[in-house]
Amino acid sequence: DIVMTQTPLSSPVTLGQPASISCRSSQSLVHSDGNTYLSWLQQRPGQPPRLLIYKISNRFSGVPDRFSGSGAGTDFTLKISRVEAEDVGVYYCLQTTQFPYTFGQGTKLEIK
Amino acid sequence: EVQLLEAGGNLVQPGGSLRLSCAASGFTFSSYAMTWVRQAPGKGLEWISVISDIGGGTYYADSVKGRFTISRDNSKNMLYLQMNSLSAEDTAVYYCTQRLMSFDYWGQGTLVTVSS
Repeated sequence: DIVMTQTPLSSPVTLGQPASISCRSSQSLVHSDGNTYLSWLQQRPGQPPRLLIYKISNRFSGVPDRFSGSGAGTDFTLKISRVEAEDVGVYYCLQTTQFPYTFGQGTKLEIK
Repeated sequence: EVQLLEAGGNLVQPGGSLRLSCAASGFTFSSYAMTWVRQAPGKGLEWISVISDIGGGTYYADSVKGRFTISRDNSKNMLYLQMNSLSAEDTAVYYCTQRLMSFDYWGQGTLVTVSS
């Protein structure tokens, strides 16, 4: 199974400042079709998860452009350019390149 | 608007069975693969199963293989998860998701509690 490791596990951030979360996979996420199926999801307190980013860097419908994704191979990053209060929650990376699909442990974003 | 509504969660004894359902609306259900993901209380997310758009392909996490069965009825826009031989480790909120770009849309989840 592909293990997804996120860092940090907790990230206190000042409102208006940037935030960054890393995700490393135990093996390359490049699929045989050439795509890399790495996604980022946000789970606000008491809410179901919500898709933010798919295939490394593509923002899903309705996702603000302060969210961006980057990376390649086994190393990926989610960046929030300016954190807003509504960004508080847990962020997960997810690989759907290979079965079983696997999530990172989650990174809790909180306001300082 | 895509809507997914899970139902069927309940308190069940160890060794028991439960069938979850997910009612889909707002999209052409038969054109999308669908998944189940669960989240134990206070824990992270765990993918457990996926089914192809017409139901011909199914995959499971090892943790549920042989005990859980995913199915769908495209004529009713419904997704199901039959869960057998339940144990305390299966206690979780179970979410259904639409699968296209990733896990695109999620329901609100249904709580399954396995306890005597």
